Amino acid sequence: SAVISQKPSRDICQRGTSLTIQCQVDSQVTMMFWYRQQPGQSLTLIATANQGSEATYESGFVIDKFPISRPNLTFSTLTVSNMSPEDSSIYLCSVEDPPGAGTQYFGPGTRLLVL
Amino acid sequence: QKEVEQDPGPLSVPEGAIVSLNCTYSNSAFQYFMWYRQYSRKGPELLMYTYSSGNKEDGRFTAQVDKSSKYISLFIRDSQPSDSATYLCAMSRGGYNKLIFGAGTRLAVHP
Repeated sequence: SAVISQKPSRDICQRGTSLTIQCQVDSQVTMMFWYRQQPGQSLTLIATANQGSEATYESGFVIDKFPISRPNLTFSTLTVSNMSPEDSSIYLCSVEDPPGAGTQYFGPGTRLLVL
Repeated sequence: QKEVEQDPGPLSVPEGAIVSLNCTYSNSAFQYFMWYRQYSRKGPELLMYTYSSGNKEDGRFTAQVDKSSKYISLFIRDSQPSDSATYLCAMSRGGYNKLIFGAGTRLAVHP
């Protein structure tokens, strides 16, 4: 299965600032996914990132707030913009491996606290 | 009504017990069913994966899918304190369709 790393592992930020989270995969993958896990909650999909095209956002998430880049088949970034305390969550990236199999593997997550 | 329902627990059992974790769902198009284990401050780890109906066994873990009842289960035999974690069910239609997660069940296995 794919091995996924994320940076940073955690951060404390001030409201109104932005944070960019990086996701690196050890193999080439078509689709990468970004999830949010609010405290004590399950995972909610933010967007799906396909290399070479615009990310597809789920209802309730917009590109201005969560811009995503996908420059190649092993890397993606998620930016949390103009942060507020409500953005305090764990942000996780995942990949589907093997492609089309329906199984997703997750990175370790980025724990974000917004003050 | 949520697409996937899962009792959040917490569930507390003694070491050695058989644990049963369950999810129900409403979308009959789901074909891929997964169980993830998430330790505190870690990302979810894929534990079991089942396509369509049936059973799958891996060591102390057994996953069951009953599509007619829209019900999936994860059984843990001879539970260990190291099994203490949150267990999340997830399902999808497959083929790059998104995963829909249950709320997760917190399990504590005490010595």
